[in-house]
Amino acid sequence: DTEVTQTPKHLVMGMTNKKSLKCEQHMGHRAMYWYKQKAKKPPELMFVYSYEKLSINESVPSRFSPECPNSSLLNLHLHALQPEDSALYLCASSQEGTPSTDTQYFGPGTRLTVL
Amino acid sequence: EDQVTQSPEALRLQEGESSSLNCSYTVSGLRGLFWYRQDPGKGPEFLFTLYSAGEEKEKERLKATLTKKESFLHITAPKPEDSATYLCAVQAGGSRLTFGEGTQLTVNP
Repeated sequence: DTEVTQTPKHLVMGMTNKKSLKCEQHMGHRAMYWYKQKAKKPPELMFVYSYEKLSINESVPSRFSPECPNSSLLNLHLHALQPEDSALYLCASSQEGTPSTDTQYFGPGTRLTVL
Repeated sequence: EDQVTQSPEALRLQEGESSSLNCSYTVSGLRGLFWYRQDPGKGPEFLFTLYSAGEEKEKERLKATLTKKESFLHITAPKPEDSATYLCAVQAGGSRLTFGEGTQLTVNP
């Protein structure tokens, strides 16, 4: 099973709202990722968690706050977003360790609209 | 800096008309090259991982090959359901993927 789940599927929020995106995997993967994808563009890496610790932050604005409560869960807390933050937010996970297990498996994404 | 270039940007095929998508890359120390398929509004779906030049992998109508400079995704006798954007990505050191811009494939019945 190579399933990564994300909730919600769609989210509409105002610029003053606080909301959270949730990601879950039960493949025993130890690395989890947040990506942002704009229309007709490839995914852009935002954050990487490795063994539940933040290992990469791609200079993402502080209005995006990641959290990894345990090895299966990844959250992205959103606060005071801008309309240009509207995008498809993707979660991914990988086994991590050796090249044969570094394949990243993506979830279905959350379509975020900021009004 | 790692670079990935995919061509063509868009490709229209008739059902049954075989073709190939190209992914050219420049990377220091390739750990893996990945192909994904992405339908509109959905997350990328993993297709293949290739690790070394000369490697080939197949899945249904798709076949991926790898050389030291590029990878090809061959589509044999495509069907309309193969219509999607195909993304290529490379991984060097660490877990970061460098993606190409993708090839948007349309297969007409």
